[in-house]
Amino acid sequence: QVQLVQSGAEVKKPGASVKLSCNTSGYTFSNYYLHWVRQAPGQGLEWMGVFNPIGLSPAYTQKFQGRVTMTRGTSTTTVDMELTSLRSEDTALYYCARGSTVSGHPYFDSWGQGTLVTVSS
Amino acid sequence: SYELSQPPSVSVSPGQTASITCSGEKLGNKYTSWYHQRPGQSPVLVIYEDNKRPSGIPERFSGSNSGNTATLTISGTQAMDEADYYCQAWDSGTVVFGGGTKLTVL
Repeated sequence: QVQLVQSGAEVKKPGASVKLSCNTSGYTFSNYYLHWVRQAPGQGLEWMGVFNPIGLSPAYTQKFQGRVTMTRGTSTTTVDMELTSLRSEDTALYYCARGSTVSGHPYFDSWGQGTLVTVSS
Repeated sequence: SYELSQPPSVSVSPGQTASITCSGEKLGNKYTSWYHQRPGQSPVLVIYEDNKRPSGIPERFSGSNSGNTATLTISGTQAMDEADYYCQAWDSGTVVFGGGTKLTVL
């Protein structure tokens, strides 16, 4: 079955960077985009961007442009997401999610378990 | 930037019908998806392409989308349906989520 398994929790100081991993299995990796969504404590879902599995450039939402990078990980079915210049507002649960599309409109049919990132001095 | 609005909370009695709305400009021209999220768990897709249910989602979940409003309807609501619900759409290359609705079953 489709599985997205994310790396473990991280604690970082303000100004540092964090790299999270999403290890996928159970489907053909090249057939689906891989999105990153975050959720601050007690808040809603916020889309960060999408990794293209066939080598085209990722797309990031404007809010994170210049601070986020999504790349293929060490495994061919893993995607990494790095967020730099961390601040306290980046404290959140970060999810990876498999993106399916209908007429170019994406939706997320499988989600990872989430990785908690805590930014604190 | 595009915005989706949801009521912060909806209450329903067990066995009754719950309706959760999601409003956005010309939302009916886009495909809307819905997710539920129980406390401490990852979101789960319950409706995609406005009104389609993924396998494993009960028939009591249905969706519609017209004009500026998409609606998630839960018929015969059960206690296990108590969760946060989020709508989601795609606009100008960006995924947009609604702010979420807390469904209370009491």
